[in-house]
Amino acid sequence: DAKTTQPNSMESNEEEPVHLPCNHSTISGTDYIHWYRQLPSQGPEYVIHGLTSNVNNRMASLAIAEDRKSSTLILHRATLRDAAVYYCILSYGGATNKLIFGTGTLLAVQP
Amino acid sequence: NAGVTQTPKFRILKIGQSMTLQCTQDMNHNYMYWYRQDPGMGLKLIYYSVGAGITDKGEVPNGYNVSRSTTEDFPLRLELAAPSQTSVYFCASRPTDRGFNEKLFFGSGTQLSVL
Repeated sequence: DAKTTQPNSMESNEEEPVHLPCNHSTISGTDYIHWYRQLPSQGPEYVIHGLTSNVNNRMASLAIAEDRKSSTLILHRATLRDAAVYYCILSYGGATNKLIFGTGTLLAVQP
Repeated sequence: NAGVTQTPKFRILKIGQSMTLQCTQDMNHNYMYWYRQDPGMGLKLIYYSVGAGITDKGEVPNGYNVSRSTTEDFPLRLELAAPSQTSVYFCASRPTDRGFNEKLFFGSGTQLSVL
């Protein structure tokens, strides 16, 4: 199963952009790259996902490297409400459909 | 607009007791998952199911059992509860479609303590 690697923690200032990196060097061609976040004392929630092209939605942008071995979640203007653990996971193609979470990146946002 | 519903929200068990954590979803999703999250840690996959009658082990299946008799329900059974099973348990579901609709929806969790 392909694994992802993320920094344990990052800090940002409010109103500034945040770039959260994820390495997935063993990704296969049919694996989607997903990002979820978990606010304190809540269940995880979907942020964004993509396959090859960069993706944008109302919450964030996802930049995917050309070789797909890494990706970056971009929060354009961090707010205090964005303080959370951010998980980068791979959605495997094929029959197994396991969704394995790593330890994620704890994002602290300073006012 | 219920989504994924987990019951109970909290439970305290004595060592050796058994219980079933309930999970139901009303989105007609074929794929369902059970995760556990120990304090300060990430999520670990316990079991998952790709449809009614089909289940498979995840990363940490020991001490748990599941069944999937309907599309809507995916209960998680703990037999002979142990302190190591103290954790928050999350159920999740997603549609079969790959691509744009491939999103996981999570329940609000069950906090379980085994004393």
